Amino acid sequence: DQQVKQNSPSLSVQEGRISILNCDYTNSMFDYFLWYKKYPAEGPTFLISISSIKDKNEDGRFTVFLNKSAKHLSLHIVPSQPGDSAVYFCAASRDAGNNRKLIWGLGTSLAVNP
Amino acid sequence: DSGVTQTPKHLITATGQRVTLRCSPRSGDLSVYWYQQSLDQGLQFLIQYYNGEERAKGNILERFSAQQFPDLHSELNLSSLELGDSALYFCASSKGLAGAYEQYFGPGTRLTVT
Repeated sequence: DQQVKQNSPSLSVQEGRISILNCDYTNSMFDYFLWYKKYPAEGPTFLISISSIKDKNEDGRFTVFLNKSAKHLSLHIVPSQPGDSAVYFCAASRDAGNNRKLIWGLGTSLAVNP
Repeated sequence: DSGVTQTPKHLITATGQRVTLRCSPRSGDLSVYWYQQSLDQGLQFLIQYYNGEERAKGNILERFSAQQFPDLHSELNLSSLELGDSALYFCASSKGLAGAYEQYFGPGTRLTVT
């Protein structure tokens, strides 16, 4: 049962335009969400996160939006650059005492075309 | 550079064999996580150790085992290898026990079983 879903396996955008990557989750107990970026042959790197008490978090060109009622979050990249081409993973976690763990989506491969 | 090191980078072995993957976490991080990424699959959480103790288990096969040593490095042992075990194996670390806020990933070990 995939609790964190990234329904678009791939996305292609033009350089300078906005990239929107989507993520849906099923467990309403999730209270912290993260986006990771992964280049080929490298491990994932943390990009941006959001707590469930917020609906938006911004860091430079990256903004994450959280819609709790829809159990949906999105990552906006503006403007998109060729170096943003990578696989983006959405992950979620919930408080389970001392035993939090990340539940990962399957990733969306973003290609930013010059 | 995340500060997490993994060895070896590549490993090619035959079915039925046993291998050991090694991970050194970032300085000061007490939690170590192991993940498997097969072709066309997302990151599958295998197991977490915190300060030498197993804390969480994911989709880890009985043929696989892990441990974390007093110096906090960790090893993932894979035995009776099958073709389907061919994958990228990532190690990640975080400072605390509730490390599902931000994890730092190593570059991965690519295992090929022939």
